[in-house]
Amino acid sequence: EDQVTQSPEALRLQEGESSSLNCSYTVSGLRGLFWYRQDPGKGPEFLFTLYSAGEEKEKERLKATLTKKESFLHITAPKPEDSATYLCAVHRGQAGTALIFGKGTTLSVSS
Amino acid sequence: KAGVTQTPRYLIKTRGQQVTLSCSPISGHRSVSWYQQTPGQGLQFLFEYFSETQRNKGNFPGRFSGRQFSNSRSEMNVSTLELGDSALYLCASRNLRGTQEDEQYFGPGTRLTVT
Repeated sequence: EDQVTQSPEALRLQEGESSSLNCSYTVSGLRGLFWYRQDPGKGPEFLFTLYSAGEEKEKERLKATLTKKESFLHITAPKPEDSATYLCAVHRGQAGTALIFGKGTTLSVSS
Repeated sequence: KAGVTQTPRYLIKTRGQQVTLSCSPISGHRSVSWYQQTPGQGLQFLFEYFSETQRNKGNFPGRFSGRQFSNSRSEMNVSTLELGDSALYLCASRNLRGTQEDEQYFGPGTRLTVT
């Protein structure tokens, strides 16, 4: 069964304390892995798309990487405004199938 | 470019009633998907529409239905509401340009409370 697991469920960091969020997946034929950020009461905001193992993408303090079994979202020197829930989703091989989302990692960054 | 818009933003209904939610995608996007988000289950796929046709459907009962209009705007309907239908309903649009999967852009959601 296709599955997406994110860890940890919650992460508390001090401002400037770098860390990584994990997204492990088991899908048949990955067509794309997506990272989203969601603030309370709002819809998810698109961050990155990764298509193949070895691919990396960066945006400000965030860097996403992809292997054949997992993806990492690295957060460098986080600020309080980075506090949010980060969601990982995968699109598997069969065209027309939906995104499968993980439960998310809730990040809290304190100053 | 305007983002995905959803109306209404908040809704309170009683068990047994029905509800219709509306979504306007980003201009030029022809694919619209609907998701249900709850604290326990997370984001779960309901259905996707492309060019007025349902392209894919998730594992939800027949009480959940949707449609898409020629201008790509979409509606979803939930009949005979149950308490468990209380959730944030999210709409997402994407471009579907080529062989790679395009990212989906989400609206702010409709918060449905069933009492």
